Formats: sequence, structure tokens, C-alpha cells
Amino acid sequence: DQQVKQNSPSLSVQEGRISILNCDYTNSMFDYFLWYKKYPAEGPTFLISISSIKDKNEDGRFTVFLNKSAKHLSLHIVPSQPGDSAVYFCAASGSSNTGKLIFGQGTTLQVKP
Amino acid sequence: GAVVSQHPSRVICKSGTSVKIECRSLDFQATTMFWYRQFPKKSLMLMATSNEGSKATYEQGVEKDKFLINHASLTLSTLTVTSAHPEDSSFYICSANFGNYGYTFGSGTRLTVV
Repeated sequence: DQQVKQNSPSLSVQEGRISILNCDYTNSMFDYFLWYKKYPAEGPTFLISISSIKDKNEDGRFTVFLNKSAKHLSLHIVPSQPGDSAVYFCAASGSSNTGKLIFGQGTTLQVKP
Repeated sequence: GAVVSQHPSRVICKSGTSVKIECRSLDFQATTMFWYRQFPKKSLMLMATSNEGSKATYEQGVEKDKFLINHASLTLSTLTVTSAHPEDSSFYICSANFGNYGYTFGSGTRLTVV
């Protein structure tokens, strides 16, 4: 039972353009969502998060949008840079699941110069 | 702040031996730590929740006798892979929870069982 899904395994964009990474979830008890960036053989690095009481959170080039009715969130990166090339994971947590994070499968982003 | 140190970063062991991975919170106390496993090109799968001073809570399908977790202090959790086999080869990552919805991850351990 995949509670958090990232249906696009990969995404390729041109430098300077917008990258949009999508994530869907099934558990309506999730109330906090996070995006992580990960390089091979390294631990995930936190990017941005959003609480279920909000529908948007912005931090520099990164913006996360949450659509609770659709159980969908997305990460927008603009402008995209070659250094953004990595695997991006969305994760969800809820007060009912003792703080553990449930991760999506990840999306590999490649930003071409 | 909120740094988690994980060691070793890489380990190669022979089949049948045991391997211990350490996860330390450096500047905060972590009553709860989490252990994840990542297969190549796959998501991070939660293995267990490590609770200081009590037994770990394992996710469905994870063998608790195979993956021993000890959380004896507020700054240290260990994962021991017992009687390792090649199929245990994977990337293991620990995480600690701090504050409200604060999570920090270790740098991971690449385990190769030969």
C-alpha cells in the first residue's frame, strides 16, 4: 500500500525553466508534508515543507503547493539550475503515526545547461 | 543545529557476520529515531522506529531478530544487521525527530555483504 506516490520517475528540464515535481497521497490523516533532495550515497537534505493548514509555502526558488481536496502536492523550482539535478522525494507525516515519515518513490530531476 | 552523525559510511562484510551502524544526535536529544532502508532506485522504506529506553517498533515485514535496534541513550541509536546475507546489501539511513515536525537525516551507510 503506497500511501505517498510520485508517479513520474524522472523529469528533464532546461536550465532557467521551471521544474514541477508532483506527489499524491492517499491517507487523509497526513497533516505535514516535506520535500527532500537526495544525491546517491548521501542522506536526504530537507528542502521545504508545508502544513495542511496552508496551501502554499515559498522559500527562495522553491515553492510547494498543497491541494488537500485532491490529496496532491507539488514542488516548483524556478529558475532551475544544473545543481538542482538530484532525486527529489516527497514525504508525509501525521500526528497519528508517531512522527514517522512516509516517502514517495522519488523523482530524478535533470536540469540541462 | 540538529545534526545527526551516522557511522560507518561504508562497510563490506562477509556473509554470516554482523554489522553495527551507529546514529548519533550531536547537538540535541532524540527520544525517537527512525531507521530507513533504500534499495537502488527505490524509495526510502521505514524499517523501524527507535525509542529511547524502550523496544523499537518495527514496520510490517521487517524481521526484528535480523535487524536489532538499540536506543540506550538520548543521543545514540544503533542498528545491528545480524547474520548478514547478500540480500541485506543496501543503503541504510537514520533520522531523528526534533521539535515539531523537525527531521534530520544521517548521511547513510552503504552495506555490502559478500
